[in-house]
Amino acid sequence: AQKITQTQPGMFVQEKEAVTLDCTYDTSDQSYGLFWYKQPSSGEMIFLIYQGSYDEQNATEGRYSLNFQKARKSANLVISASQLGDSAMYFCAMSPLTYNQGGKLIFGQGTELSVKP
Amino acid sequence: KAGVTQTPRYLIKTRGQQVTLSCSPISGHRSVSWYQQTPGQGLQFLFEYFSETQRNKGNFPGRFSGRQFSNSRSEMNVSTLELGDSALYLCASSDGTGVSTDTQYFGPGTRLTVL
Repeated sequence: AQKITQTQPGMFVQEKEAVTLDCTYDTSDQSYGLFWYKQPSSGEMIFLIYQGSYDEQNATEGRYSLNFQKARKSANLVISASQLGDSAMYFCAMSPLTYNQGGKLIFGQGTELSVKP
Repeated sequence: KAGVTQTPRYLIKTRGQQVTLSCSPISGHRSVSWYQQTPGQGLQFLFEYFSETQRNKGNFPGRFSGRQFSNSRSEMNVSTLELGDSALYLCASSDGTGVSTDTQYFGPGTRLTVL
């Protein structure tokens, strides 16, 4: 069965510093997608970044980058130059490969990030 | 493009009642997925609709049902509400290609409270 593990329930970071949020996954699929979402206290899930299992380069989107280590089955999110608005819950998620599993994301338990001024 | 919209944003119901939640996807998206989020269980997949057909289903009782219309708008229904159904219900839309690259974009959610 596929599983996402986020081992950091909560983290603090100083404003303008970088922070890494950990994510490990378990799957027997050869092809899969990995995603990070941000959920502010308002509740809406905001898509941040995507990494495909066959992508050789780590994904980057502005201040977000994904440190993908396939052999270790890890997909850590790196946020550079943290801002106060980055304070939120962050979820790592995985999508299965097969067509009949479409539309299903498997989520980790989340990491609550607090940015200190 | 307008984002995913969900109505209503907040609902209060009593045990035994039923409720219908609505989701309008991003224009052009054909897939709509529903998730339940609770503090204890986290985010759990309910079901996914693609071109008016349920394509995938999570492990929820039959009290949870859904449908999708020809314009891709989707509704989910929960009958005979229980206290444990209190949750944030999130809907997400995507292109619906069904492969691992399909990015889901979420709506603001409907917060359901069952008294």
